[in-house]
Amino acid sequence: EDQVTQSPEALRLQEGESSSLNCSYTVSGLRGLFWYRQDPGKGPEFLFTLYSAGEEKEKERLKATLTKKESFLHITAPKPEDSATYLCAVQASGANNLFFGTGTRLTVIP
Amino acid sequence: ETGVTQTPRHLVMGMTNKKSLKCEQHLGHNAMYWYKQSAKKPLELMFVYSLEERVENNSVPSRFSPECPNSSHLFLHLHTLQPEDSALYLCASSQDGWPSGSHNEQFFGPGTRLTVL
Repeated sequence: EDQVTQSPEALRLQEGESSSLNCSYTVSGLRGLFWYRQDPGKGPEFLFTLYSAGEEKEKERLKATLTKKESFLHITAPKPEDSATYLCAVQASGANNLFFGTGTRLTVIP
Repeated sequence: ETGVTQTPRHLVMGMTNKKSLKCEQHLGHNAMYWYKQSAKKPLELMFVYSLEERVENNSVPSRFSPECPNSSHLFLHLHTLQPEDSALYLCASSQDGWPSGSHNEQFFGPGTRLTVL
């Protein structure tokens, strides 16, 4: 059964303290892995799509990487405005729907 | 308007009421989705429409009834809901229809916060 597990559930960082969020997945052939950011009371905002192991994508202070079993979202020198819940989702080969994890709630303290 | 819009943003209804949620996408996409988001749970896919045809109904109770009159609009009709149906209801769209090709990123609206009393 396709499954997505995100860790940690919550993370508090000081401003400027770099860290990584983890997304472990079990899927019968990966079609794509997606990262989203969600602010309280809002819908998820698309960040990245990764398709194959070894692929990396960057956007400002965020960098997403992918292996055959997991993806990392690295946050370099975070700022308070990076505080949000980060969601990971996978799409299996031959399937159309996305399986989402429960997210990591990130708080960056000034 | 840009992106995906949803109305109303907040809705409080009794168990005997009938209400509808509206979603509109301004992206020219071919597929639209309804999701339910409850606290501490992953997003749950409810319905998918591709080119105005329903292609997925994820075992959703019949008190939720979707409607897609055209490729830009999606409705979720609600009737005789239960308190456990209280949640954030999210609409999304993607460029590709189903089966999807390489442009399968989903873009979400702001959601409707539903409270069932």
